[in-house]
Amino acid sequence: DTAVSQTPKYLVTQMGNDKSIKCEQNLGHDTMYWYKQDSKKFLKIMFSYNNKELIINETVPNRFSPKSPDKAHLNLHINSLELGDSAVYFCASSNIGTGELFFGEGSRLTVL
Amino acid sequence: GDSVTQMEGPVTLSEEAFLTINCTYTATGYPSLFWYVQYPGEGLQLLLKATKADDKGSNKGFEATYRKETTSFHLEKGSVQVSDSAVYFCALRANNNDMRFGAGTRLTVKP
Repeated sequence: DTAVSQTPKYLVTQMGNDKSIKCEQNLGHDTMYWYKQDSKKFLKIMFSYNNKELIINETVPNRFSPKSPDKAHLNLHINSLELGDSAVYFCASSNIGTGELFFGEGSRLTVL
Repeated sequence: GDSVTQMEGPVTLSEEAFLTINCTYTATGYPSLFWYVQYPGEGLQLLLKATKADDKGSNKGFEATYRKETTSFHLEKGSVQVSDSAVYFCALRANNNDMRFGAGTRLTVKP
């Protein structure tokens, strides 16, 4: 039973395309996140959602848009992909009270 | 703003060697502190945490003590194994619930 699952695990696409990454958590957590990890392993928070409301939005290009149909899902849609978008994207979830984040296995995006 | 700084890697040790990975933080208020580990090809997993000053987190032989006077949360293990090879991230959860990660330290343990 995977706690935080994301699909696809690997994604290779051309510049200019639009793609989505899906994330689901079965932990009953109230907050979900998207992080971007670059080739040097640096982690940058992109978004978080709490009960369908965006509560953190770092300086991320508006080509990236999170969509949360319910509190168990937080999908990431990316328009007009650029070379610099190549990275591993991690979904995570938590309950605000406990503080601990649970991560998915990551989705490696390669833009050619 | 709140942040963590951890020692740059990579760190290469022989099996059974002593490990220290330094982590210091800057924060207003009293953040919770965490160490996460990322094994190759996987997501991050919580290794240990401490929520207040002088707390010691421990797991799988790893330990870290929340030192408010030195604003530090150094990770230690007395005897590393090849299976400990991974990237280790220090993190803090600030009062606004934002989780801030350090840059990560890659550890390689050789037999």
